Amino acid sequence: DGGITQSPKYLFRKEGQNVTLSCEQNLNHDAMYWYRQDPGQGLRLIYYSQIVNDFQKGDIAEGYSVSREKKESFPLTVTSAQKNPTAFYLCASSPGGADTQYFGPGTRLTVL
Amino acid sequence: AQSVSQHNHHVILSEAASLELGCNYSYGGTVNLFWYVQYPGQHLQLLLKYFSGDPLVKGIKGFEAEFIKSKFSFNLRKPSVQWSDTAEYFCASSTGNNRKLIWGLGTSLAVNP
Repeated sequence: DGGITQSPKYLFRKEGQNVTLSCEQNLNHDAMYWYRQDPGQGLRLIYYSQIVNDFQKGDIAEGYSVSREKKESFPLTVTSAQKNPTAFYLCASSPGGADTQYFGPGTRLTVL
Repeated sequence: AQSVSQHNHHVILSEAASLELGCNYSYGGTVNLFWYVQYPGQHLQLLLKYFSGDPLVKGIKGFEAEFIKSKFSFNLRKPSVQWSDTAEYFCASSTGNNRKLIWGLGTSLAVNP
């Protein structure tokens, strides 16, 4: 069954801790994306990757880091430098170009 | 900078009412336009998209949207909504072959049975 998986669904962390959110896709898509969704603010792009071993900052990259060592995986690390990390994080992938993005179920991160 | 605006943040309708959600984009060149929907507790998924050709685009679940270039608009319509259409709706655009999507802030639709 093809798709995008994100884990965990809910994540709690203490202030000052780094945490890594997983995103895996078996759609053989070249491009992958990380978004943050806050109520009333739509989706804001954190990082995106068009190809393995390459990624670009989105609109709100500060306090986040990513890697793209494998085509199917694009983990996001929320560092202690992110001032307001509590949010819903969405991962997406697309075949390439300007085509449709396909989304995972999301991870809700809460910083205690 | 390219932007997408959605006119209504919250819409409340009764079942069988007609729906029109507004979306305007700012880019003057070639655009690709999308409507996505997020049902409660479900993945964000594509409703419909416009790349080129017929400006009236039909999507899933009876939704359609019309691309009007002169008005920079891509409004979403459905003639008769159902309770199951309760969701958040997002309009998005991209330009040319750019893989980045520009998103509107979303419209929350509540349909009363």
